[in-house]
Parts: sequence; C-alpha cells; structure tokens
Amino acid sequence: KQEVTQIPAALSVPEGENLVLNCSFTDSAIYNLQWFRQDPGKGLTSLLLIQSSQREQTSGRLNASLDKSSGRSTLYIAASQPGDSATYLCAVDDYKLSFGAGTTVTVRA
Amino acid sequence: SQTIHQWPATLVQPVGSPLSLECTVEGTSNPNLYWYRQAAGRGLQLLFYSVGIGQISSEVPQNLSASRPQDRQFILSSKKLLLSDSGFYLCAWSVKAMRGEKLFFGSGTQLSVL
Repeated sequence: KQEVTQIPAALSVPEGENLVLNCSFTDSAIYNLQWFRQDPGKGLTSLLLIQSSQREQTSGRLNASLDKSSGRSTLYIAASQPGDSATYLCAVDDYKLSFGAGTTVTVRA
Repeated sequence: SQTIHQWPATLVQPVGSPLSLECTVEGTSNPNLYWYRQAAGRGLQLLFYSVGIGQISSEVPQNLSASRPQDRQFILSSKKLLLSDSGFYLCAWSVKAMRGEKLFFGSGTQLSVL
C-alpha cells in the first residue's frame, strides 16, 4: 500500500523567502505525481503534474522535482508572497491517487 | 472550458437523516468522476469513482453510496447519516485517457452531522 508523507506539517516564512516543501512516497512504481494547492474550506487546485519519466516541471515561480528511485518530490516556490499562504498537498498515482496530509504554509508580510 | 459544480457548500444534518450531495461537470464528456473525503489534518480518502454511467466502484466499505445517473452527474448519498460521516467532501473529475491525467476538484461540501 502506497504511503505518502509530507514534512513539515506546517511552515511559516517571511515574505520573499524561498519555500521548499517535501513529499515522500513508499512505492516508486508510479505513473505520476501531482502537487495541489488548497485554500481554507475550498477545493484543491492542481499546480503541477510530473510524469514518471520526467525529473521536474516548472510553472512561473513554482518548480517541482521528482526522484522516483528515492521516493521523493520537492516543490520549490521562489520569492514567496502572502498570497502563497495555503495548504499544499502532493498525490502519487500508482493506479489510484494517494494523497499526503499536506503542508500548511503561512507567508508573513 | 471545463467547470465542475458541487453543492451545497455547507450542510448540517442530524444523525439518522438522509444525505444527497450533487456534482456536475460542464465542458467535457465521458469524464472519470470521483468522490473524496478529507478529514482534518489528513490526506484525502477516495470513496467512490466512476468511469461511466451506472458504473460505480467503491474504495472503502461505509455508510455511503454513489450514483451516476447521467454522464456528467455524480451523486453521493446516505440513507441514515452517522456522526462519523462528518467531514469535507470533494468531487473531482479527470479526462478518460491514458494514465497521467490531471485531477480537477470542485469547491467541496463541509458536512457536519450532529
């Protein structure tokens, strides 16, 4: 059974600092990995999807890397802004999606 | 463009009452549809998924059921709610294609069973 872990559970940084969010998974036989953003009381918004054959994906200030062999993915958010405050979840697709519990980010102005 | 509608946004129901949550998708046809539940501080749990009208797969045994009466409509139901059914329910859809498709979520329903 796939286990997805996100550490830390919460993170607080000053505005402008770069964010590094970690995701680890136990079974490396995956199709893809997705990163989502969730605002309080809202649904999830897909940020980036990395196919198993890819090493990274970039969108604006966001960059996600994938190391299948070690079972790790990292989401980098450059030059954080207060609007980046949210919970970020990763999900691993290995026939079905398994979600981590998320990292709640607070960016202080 | 594709959109997904989920309602209601919040719901407070007494124990033993019935439940019906509805989800519809616009702008696409023959999508895969999903119901998830999110407990506080935990990851999302897949409850049901559907690859077509009348085709429902259940991931966990529970007090809930799902139906897909139309191509782009997905309904989550219960005949008698339990306290443990409280949570944040999310509907989602994906393109029916090869593996690796993105998942798109509705805005969620916060259900409180009292």
